[in-house]
Amino acid sequence: EAGVAQSPRYKIIEKRQSVAFWCNPISGHATLYWYQQILGQGPKLLIQFQNNGVVDDSQLPKDRFSAERLKGVDSTLKIQPAKLEDSAVYLCASSPSSGTRDGYTFGSGTRLTVV
Amino acid sequence: ILNVEQSPQSLHVQEGDSTNFTCSFPSSNFYALHWYRWETAKSPEALFVMTLNGDEKKKGRISATLNTKEGYSYLYIKGSQPEDSATYLCAFPANQAGTALIFGKGTTLSVSS
Repeated sequence: EAGVAQSPRYKIIEKRQSVAFWCNPISGHATLYWYQQILGQGPKLLIQFQNNGVVDDSQLPKDRFSAERLKGVDSTLKIQPAKLEDSAVYLCASSPSSGTRDGYTFGSGTRLTVV
Repeated sequence: ILNVEQSPQSLHVQEGDSTNFTCSFPSSNFYALHWYRWETAKSPEALFVMTLNGDEKKKGRISATLNTKEGYSYLYIKGSQPEDSATYLCAFPANQAGTALIFGKGTTLSVSS
């Protein structure tokens, strides 16, 4: 079974620039998550999709972050404009359903550095 | 705000040592407790999903126990090996209605040969 694919692996941008991350979840997984992991902290949920609908985006800084999941498969996360504090690892994960007993399958993440 | 605490923050052991970490979570409205292992430059990998009080799960040299009444889970590694070096994360769902996992900060284990 193919894993969760993410790209790019690394990205360095200047503050106020824009950046986009891409995620392709496990085939058939209905639920997709984007997490932000800042150094020294645990992963923090940014947005949760169920198929192509948003379940939870309460912690997404909507003035600069946006995400979409077209056709309920691939997803993109965008930051515009980036700030220094956005430097983090951005993890995409998927699970078969939104149930609490399904383990997540994670991608390898995108390490973003904003300078 | 619901929170999950992990201790210690980091740990360094010698090859062959056995070790354990703690995950503390709110004991009210328990639904499930997840453990993940995250090796450097790799994807976080699911280790266990635990749902029943008193549950004990095992995967090779790694095992985990769960106490939902007092709100803690232990992760044990028997005979640590250098390949066990990773950050171990625990997480729990805020509620059963399909909400996402809340993660702790993790315990970073380093095993020297």
